[in-house]
Amino acid sequence: KAGVTQTPRYLIKTRGQQVTLSCSPISGHRSVSWYQQTPGQGLQFLFEYFSETQRNKGNFPGRFSGRQFSNSRSEMNVSTLELGDSALYLCASSSQGVAEAFFGQGTRLTVV
Amino acid sequence: QKEVEQNSGPLSVPEGAIASLNCTYSDRVSQSFFWYRQYSGKSPELIMSIYSNGDKEDGRFTAQLNKASQYVSLLIRDSQPSDSATYLCAVLYSGAGSYQLTFGKGTKLSVIP
Repeated sequence: KAGVTQTPRYLIKTRGQQVTLSCSPISGHRSVSWYQQTPGQGLQFLFEYFSETQRNKGNFPGRFSGRQFSNSRSEMNVSTLELGDSALYLCASSSQGVAEAFFGQGTRLTVV
Repeated sequence: QKEVEQNSGPLSVPEGAIASLNCTYSDRVSQSFFWYRQYSGKSPELIMSIYSNGDKEDGRFTAQLNKASQYVSLLIRDSQPSDSATYLCAVLYSGAGSYQLTFGKGTKLSVIP
């Protein structure tokens, strides 16, 4: 069974640009969560989608947005990038009724 | 505010010893608890889940949960250098149909050969 796939693995963007990251969950998993990981703040919850609906959102500015498609694939978008957005962005998928979540390899975003 | 606290370490143990990692959480409603292992430059890998008070063993790993004390721990027996990593404690908050893991900042473990 294929794991969670995130693309791209690495990105370098310039301040002010926007970026879109993609996440394909484990087959059959309908919940996709996104997290930002930085050395100082650790893993912080961005948002969670289930069946194309955002069910929960963390304390991030509106520049961070996401969506989920009917095949459960999810994208997150960050507009007007700031230097502080440099981080490892992780998505995790889980199955309905099962608590365990499994992470993708992450996208390392560097804003210069 | 839901919080998960871990000692940041580093925790150093000699090869073959028992490593003990601890975690406390703030929300008494929480029902599901997890330990993830994260090697440097890699993504978190789920190694243990625990839902009921008591101990749960899986190979060299034992997770312990005490809901009354709001305390979760992970014991690693016969520690190996390959166990050197950051261990993340995570608590699931699933109210109102949502799914949100709250993580501690992790404990860095070094196993000395």
